[in-house]
Amino acid sequence: DAGVTQSPTHLIKTRGQQVTLRCSPKSGHDTVSWYQQALGQGPQFIFQYYEEEERQRGNFPDRFSGHQFPNYSSELNVNALLLGDSALYLCASSSTETWPYEQYFGPGTRLTVT
Amino acid sequence: SQKIEQNSEALNIQEGKTATLTCNYTNYSPAYLQWYRQDPGRGPVFLLLIRENEKEKRKERLKVTFDTTLKQSLFHITASQPADSATYLCAEQNTGFQKLVFGTGTRLLVSP
Repeated sequence: DAGVTQSPTHLIKTRGQQVTLRCSPKSGHDTVSWYQQALGQGPQFIFQYYEEEERQRGNFPDRFSGHQFPNYSSELNVNALLLGDSALYLCASSSTETWPYEQYFGPGTRLTVT
Repeated sequence: SQKIEQNSEALNIQEGKTATLTCNYTNYSPAYLQWYRQDPGRGPVFLLLIRENEKEKRKERLKVTFDTTLKQSLFHITASQPADSATYLCAEQNTGFQKLVFGTGTRLLVSP
């Protein structure tokens, strides 16, 4: 059983560009959350998707947007990249049928903005 | 807003000893506290969860406590091994949605 997968593994972008990160949840999971982790910090919640809708959002600007597809996979889009967006972006999946919600994290996408 | 605080200084211990990591929260008592392990360049891995009304939870060499009076959770690794060296993250989760609020993590180094 594959766990949470993310692509790409690493990405280098220039300021002002746009980026799309992808996530496939663990089999049987219906909820996907995205987190940003800066170096030396804990993960910060960006938003969560369930039933193809954004259910909860953290304190991130509108430049961060997402999408969930019918197969529960998800994308994170970041527009007008800033140097401060450089971080490890983590996707976590969970199931609404298993309370409390233990979250399974993917390996992350390392984004570098130059 | 809720803050989760962990000691940012690394904890160095010798193999075989018990490692104790601390997690403090500032405001309301969370419904759940979760502990994760994170290795460099990898995603966090779930270890243990403890509910607000539980005082202690164990899993093999791991033990977590939850003290709502002190607003604190302690995470213990007994008979520590060099393979336990990693960063340990504490996260709070409340009822309703599944968002986790993480602390900054504490790095544990177990030397042979």
